[in-house]
Amino acid sequence: NAGVTQTPKFQVLKTGQSMTLQCAQDMNHEYMSWYRQDPGMGLRLIHYSVGAGITDQGEVPNGYNVSRSTTEDFPLRLLSAAPSQTSVYFCASSYSRRGTGELFFGEGSRLTVL
Amino acid sequence: LAKTTQPISMDSYEGQEVNITCSHNNIATNDYITWYQQFPSQGPRFIIQGYKTKVTNEVASLFIPADRKSSTLSLPRVSLSDTAVYYCLVGDTGGFKTIFGAGTRLFVKA
Repeated sequence: NAGVTQTPKFQVLKTGQSMTLQCAQDMNHEYMSWYRQDPGMGLRLIHYSVGAGITDQGEVPNGYNVSRSTTEDFPLRLLSAAPSQTSVYFCASSYSRRGTGELFFGEGSRLTVL
Repeated sequence: LAKTTQPISMDSYEGQEVNITCSHNNIATNDYITWYQQFPSQGPRFIIQGYKTKVTNEVASLFIPADRKSSTLSLPRVSLSDTAVYYCLVGDTGGFKTIFGAGTRLFVKA
């Protein structure tokens, strides 16, 4: 049972480039979310989804897009990378549609924007 | 959005009980309180969740007073491996925009 899988684990981008962080879960969870964590800081919610076809913005959505075409996958797209988006990104899922049930996290994707 | 406030850091010694308190004045009526543990370079891991009074599992206890405006995570007899960041989590009014606080850095010394 893989749980929540994030790819890539590490990525370096140049300013203005775009890319997609992949997130997949095999637990049939309805709720999925993306967080970013800056050095020494807590996690901030970027976007979340309560089911296929349903997404909404979190605290810090600017510069990011998401889609949820299947229950399993929840990719995060950076449209035009900026140095301020240098961070560690965590994907999480939960059996609870409320998002306050137990969240299962991936191992993180470390992104550096030059 | 509901906000949480926790101490920035705490120190303890092996074998001691550690209590970390979180304030959440704007918690919604139906929201649960959840605590997570995070080690460096890893995603957070669920510790315990509760709604009111007291909840206990194999690793921790969670105390929630009647007004639910705060909660206390209790770690009995900590060890060096409990050195981590601990987050208190509550949902907003709609329950979807889950907010992590800044976390409490617990350092356990030998």
